[in-house]
Amino acid sequence: NAGVTQTPKFRVLKTGQSMTLLCAQDMNHEYMYWYRQDPGMGLRLIHYSVGEGTTAKGEVPDGYNVSRLKKQNFLLGLESAAPSQTSVYFCASSYLKSTYGTEAFFGQGTRLTVV
Amino acid sequence: AQTVTQSQPEMSVQEAETVTLSCTYDTSENNYYLFWYKQPPSRQMILVIRQEAYKQQNATENRFSVNFQKAAKSFSLKISDSQLGDTAMYFCAFMRGSGGSNYKLTFGKGTLLTVNP
Repeated sequence: NAGVTQTPKFRVLKTGQSMTLLCAQDMNHEYMYWYRQDPGMGLRLIHYSVGEGTTAKGEVPDGYNVSRLKKQNFLLGLESAAPSQTSVYFCASSYLKSTYGTEAFFGQGTRLTVV
Repeated sequence: AQTVTQSQPEMSVQEAETVTLSCTYDTSENNYYLFWYKQPPSRQMILVIRQEAYKQQNATENRFSVNFQKAAKSFSLKISDSQLGDTAMYFCAFMRGSGGSNYKLTFGKGTLLTVNP
């Protein structure tokens, strides 16, 4: 029962470096999301995708790019990391429709530190 | 845009007692879903309970229940018989139910609940 898997779990970057966070889900979910969690701020949506080949901006998209080339994968890229991007990143996925509402399933999070 | 407000940044409760966490939201939608998620120190996000706006009956999951007041746009979580394992950050979340690109979850800032022995 893999569910939603994020890699890596931890990463330290130097300012200006780039990296890609990978999210993979094995539940055939249409929707996928990237959130960042900062103390006192809750979870804020960075980007999301409603299906393969489609992406959209959330509330804090600046400095990030995403791609969804395959339904099961959603990649989050940082082209030039900044200290303000130090955060815990969560990927989530959900069905298009569900008898019980569109519950989102979360990955275990990635702690990213930019120095 | 929808907003979710949790007015209690931190709360504490004695083991075996009852505690209520508050959540209010702002929306013009009539069809939507509300959720409470729990985040223990392990960082994993765990769904506690969900409520469909079109259902008048309050959702219940074992020791967890909600008080859903649609007109007041209030969605509080009651934890009965609190256990040490309930210590966690609790997030209230809102999701529109009108389909398309609207299925994104909007979270409150969270309430840190500590259960004391």
